[in-house]
Amino acid sequence: EDQVTQSPEALRLQEGESSSLNCSYTVSGLRGLFWYRQDPGKGPEFLFTLYSAGEEKEKERLKATLTKKESFLHITAPKPEDSATYLCAVLPGGGADGLTFGKGTHLIIQP
Amino acid sequence: ETGVTQTPRHLVMGMTNKKSLKCEQHLGHNAMYWYKQSAKKPLELMFVYSLEERVENNSVPSRFSPECPNSSHLFLHLHTLQPEDSALYLCASSQTGTGGEKLFFGSGTQLSVL
Repeated sequence: EDQVTQSPEALRLQEGESSSLNCSYTVSGLRGLFWYRQDPGKGPEFLFTLYSAGEEKEKERLKATLTKKESFLHITAPKPEDSATYLCAVLPGGGADGLTFGKGTHLIIQP
Repeated sequence: ETGVTQTPRHLVMGMTNKKSLKCEQHLGHNAMYWYKQSAKKPLELMFVYSLEERVENNSVPSRFSPECPNSSHLFLHLHTLQPEDSALYLCASSQTGTGGEKLFFGSGTQLSVL
């Protein structure tokens, strides 16, 4: 069974304090790993897709990396507006088209 | 208007009621999705429509009935729901529904079943 585990469940940082969020996965034939951001009262917003181990992508203060077992979302010098829930999802092989999501990491950046 | 729009934003219904959730996308996409988001649980895929045909149905109870009259509109008809069906229902769209594409989500309908 495909599984996605995100850690920590919640993280509180001071503004400017860099950290990383983890997404561990077990999946049969990974076709893609996705990161989304979700603000309260809103739907998830797409951030990145990673397709193969060693791949990295960056957007402003965020950088996503991928290995064969996990992905990290690195947040450098975060600001309060980076506060949100960050969701990881995998697209398994085998023809199924639905994403399998993790429960998310609730990130709070304090000014 | 742009993006994915869901109505209503909030819905409270009794177990014997019948209601419908509506989703409209203005992105020219060909695939639309219903997801369920419950507290402390991951997003769960319910239904996928590609070119107005249902391509996936993840063992969802029959009290949830989807309808996709065209590529821009998606409905979720609800009847005789249970309290455990209370959740945020999210609609999403993507270019083709072939997998591996980024999804564009609406803001969701927060459903409470009394």
